[in-house]
Amino acid sequence: AQSVTQPDIHITVSEGASLELRCNYSYGATPYLFWYVQSPGQGLQLLLKYFSGDTLVQGIKGFEAEFKRSQSSFNLRKPSVHWSDAAEYFCALFNQAGTALIFGKGTTLSVSS
Amino acid sequence: NAGVMQNPRHLVRRRGQEARLRCSPMKGHSHVYWYRQLPEEGLKFMVYLQKENIIDESGMPKERFSAEFPKEGPSILRIQQVVRGDSAAYFCASSPPAGFWEKLFFGSGTQLSVL
Repeated sequence: AQSVTQPDIHITVSEGASLELRCNYSYGATPYLFWYVQSPGQGLQLLLKYFSGDTLVQGIKGFEAEFKRSQSSFNLRKPSVHWSDAAEYFCALFNQAGTALIFGKGTTLSVSS
Repeated sequence: NAGVMQNPRHLVRRRGQEARLRCSPMKGHSHVYWYRQLPEEGLKFMVYLQKENIIDESGMPKERFSAEFPKEGPSILRIQQVVRGDSAAYFCASSPPAGFWEKLFFGSGTQLSVL
């Protein structure tokens, strides 16, 4: 079965501190993986994606993610969090049919000053 | 270049009424996807359409829900005889025909509230 798990529902990080959001997936082959960010009342914005090749991918807004096949993980990281990063973050993978994204339940990030 | 446009942003319906949600894809995009987001849940896929064709409707409830993407005009998600459980945010995304997974853009959603 194809699925995405985001173990952390809510994370609070101090401004300037580093961030890691966890994502685990279940998929039979090499997955296509994505991270999206959703600000309140807004649609989803793509942060980065992994299809193949280098397992460390760079995205927008200073985010990066590392694909680890052995751990079935695709964790999102940022070295220094800004208050404007407070939002909800979704990890997703493409289904085998290539017709839809399967999303995790999301992680809400709060940034404290 | 306007993004994916959804309207209305907020829609209030009483139980038993019909809800119509509209999605205008980005210019040049011929693929449309509908997702539903329930409170504290991730987005759940509902349906994938190309112009005048339903490609994958595996996520659509069997009853009361339908979707279309006509040759002209926006894509419409229709919910008949709404119930309180239909209250959710409904998001539309669009993509061009080729390499579509790299160029998928989401609208800002329609928040449906059923009284």
